[in-house]
Order: sequence, then C-alpha cells, then structure tokens
Amino acid sequence: QVQLVQSGAEVKKPGASVKVSCKASGYTFSNYYMHWVRQAPGQGLEWMGIINPSGGRTSYAQKFEARVTMTRETSTSIVYMELSSLRSEDTAVYYCARDQNGEAISDYVMAVWGQGTTVTVSS
Amino acid sequence: IVLTQSAGTLSLSPGDRATLSCRASQSVSSSYLAWYQQKPGQAPRLLIYGASSRATGIPDRFSGSGSGTDFTLTISRLEPEDFAVYYCQHYRTFGQGTKVEIK
Repeated sequence: QVQLVQSGAEVKKPGASVKVSCKASGYTFSNYYMHWVRQAPGQGLEWMGIINPSGGRTSYAQKFEARVTMTRETSTSIVYMELSSLRSEDTAVYYCARDQNGEAISDYVMAVWGQGTTVTVSS
Repeated sequence: IVLTQSAGTLSLSPGDRATLSCRASQSVSSSYLAWYQQKPGQAPRLLIYGASSRATGIPDRFSGSGSGTDFTLTISRLEPEDFAVYYCQHYRTFGQGTKVEIK
C-alpha cells in the first residue's frame, strides 16, 4: 500500500539545522510531487514547499525560502527537508504529503501523509 | 490569498448536520480547493478536493460545495468519529481550522 514513513523526533538548539526524511513506498516515487507542511503546537497547518521527485525541482513558501532545502534520493525513494538557523518558533510537527495525482503539474491536493516528525528547538 | 474559516468551534451533537464555512479573500479556482480532517495526534486526512469531489474512501455524509470566494463542507449526520478539526486549503494556503466538538 502507499505509505510515507518519516524519520524520528529531533531536539535541536537554536541556530542549528535539522534534516527530516520521508521514505515513500507502494507507488512510483518519481511520478508524484511531494509537499512539506508543518504544524506548531496547538496551531494550524502551514505549507512550506514542494519538490518534484522526478527532476528535483523545488518551490518554497517565501517565509522559508532562505532557510529551507528540499531534496530527494530516487534510488531509495526518500525526500528530505532541511531547515536551518532554527529558532524556538520552528518547534512543530513536520509532515510530508504526496500529491493525489501523478500529473506533470501539481494539483496541490495532499492525498497521502506521513506520520509526522516532531522537531523541538530549545536551548 | 487568505482563507477564513468563520467558526473557530462548532458545538454539535451526534446526528446533527454540520456546515463549515471557508471564505477566500479573493475569487479562487475551485480546482484547488480542498478540505482535510485532523484528529488529535494524527496527520490530516484528505476529505474533499476540487471543492466538491470526495476523496477515496470518504463516506457520502461528507460533501463540499461552493465557488468563487465561498466554500462549504457539510457533514449530513455527525458520527462520533467526525468530531475533529477541519481545514480548508487552496493551493499553498490553509484556513485556520474549525473544530467540531461534541455538545
């Protein structure tokens, strides 16, 4: 079955970087765009960016553009999200989410979600 | 674009009809309008896409409608498992969510 399995919880100090992984299985990895969405404690959902696993092309929310890098490893069907210069406000659950349709252009419909990775930023 | 879900919390009983609103700050394409359900400690689940199409496996008590700036998610008869937070989403923007709680 289609599944996204994310890496485990992280605790980081302010100023550090974190790299979260999302391993896909049960479908053709390169055919579906992947999104990253985060959720601060008790807050709503916030879209961070998107990666096309086929060519690696990315697009980021302006808020994160200077600090986020999304990459993929096609041989292992893994996408990564790295966030740098962490601050306490980055404490959140980070989700990867796959597009619904394997189209050439993303429809921004997030049909399959990872279980989430908790990132805590604390001194 | 800002999406405003007018009700922060709806207090309803099982069997009630739930009507959740999502208003966009400007007219948006219905093709990119989706609704998600999230329960505590879980990832969001896609319910509705394209404003009115149910995702795979979603019961038909869930329906979506609307166009332009005003969209609605309706749950015809609330089941115990429907008490959750619901988010609308357009393209890269999410609404702030509406919590449907047991009255």
